[in-house]
Amino acid sequence: AQTVTQSQPEMSVQEAETVTLSCTYDTSESDYYLFWYKQPPSRQMILVIRQEAYKQQNATENRFSVNFQKAAKSFSLKISDSQLGDAAMYFCAYVSGANSKLTFGKGITLSVRP
Amino acid sequence: EAGVVQSPRYKIIEKKQPVAFWCNPISGHNTLYWYRQNLGQGPELLIRYENEEAVDDSQLPKDRFSAERLKGVDSTLKIQPAELGDSAVYLCASSLGSVPGNTIYFGEGSWLTVV
Repeated sequence: AQTVTQSQPEMSVQEAETVTLSCTYDTSESDYYLFWYKQPPSRQMILVIRQEAYKQQNATENRFSVNFQKAAKSFSLKISDSQLGDAAMYFCAYVSGANSKLTFGKGITLSVRP
Repeated sequence: EAGVVQSPRYKIIEKKQPVAFWCNPISGHNTLYWYRQNLGQGPELLIRYENEEAVDDSQLPKDRFSAERLKGVDSTLKIQPAELGDSAVYLCASSLGSVPGNTIYFGEGSWLTVV
């Protein structure tokens, strides 16, 4: 079974600084997708960024980018120029290419210091 | 475009009572999911629908949980009777088709507290 591991329960960053959130996963498949979701206190999961495993190029969405290391099964999220509104829980998630079942990590709580 | 709508947002019930949650997915999305999120954890899939058919309900505790998706649009998740351990946030989500990698959109969740 696929597993997603987020080993850091909490992180803090100064406003305008850069922070990296770590995620590792375990799978025997070669076709899959990886996601980072943001969950503010309202609890609505908001998609931040997605990465197709077959693409070597790291995905980028404005201030958010990933470092996808397929061989190491690592998928970290970098947030540049951190803003107060970035404070939330962030979940790493995996989807197999064989089905659409989304498997989440335990999440990490990010706080942003003004 | 309206997002995934869930109700109620908050529910407090006594143990052994029934409770039901309703979900309206994004228009045109034929795949619907129910997830449960315990405090401090990531969401876990309870059931996935393709139109009216439940194609993955392996994680649904069928002794007390039931779900339906009549006409392939709205869905209802029911718990009867509720137990203290059912306190969680129940998230509904939808996607356009079940193609792996399609973006899954979530509602704001229904917070359940069982006392």
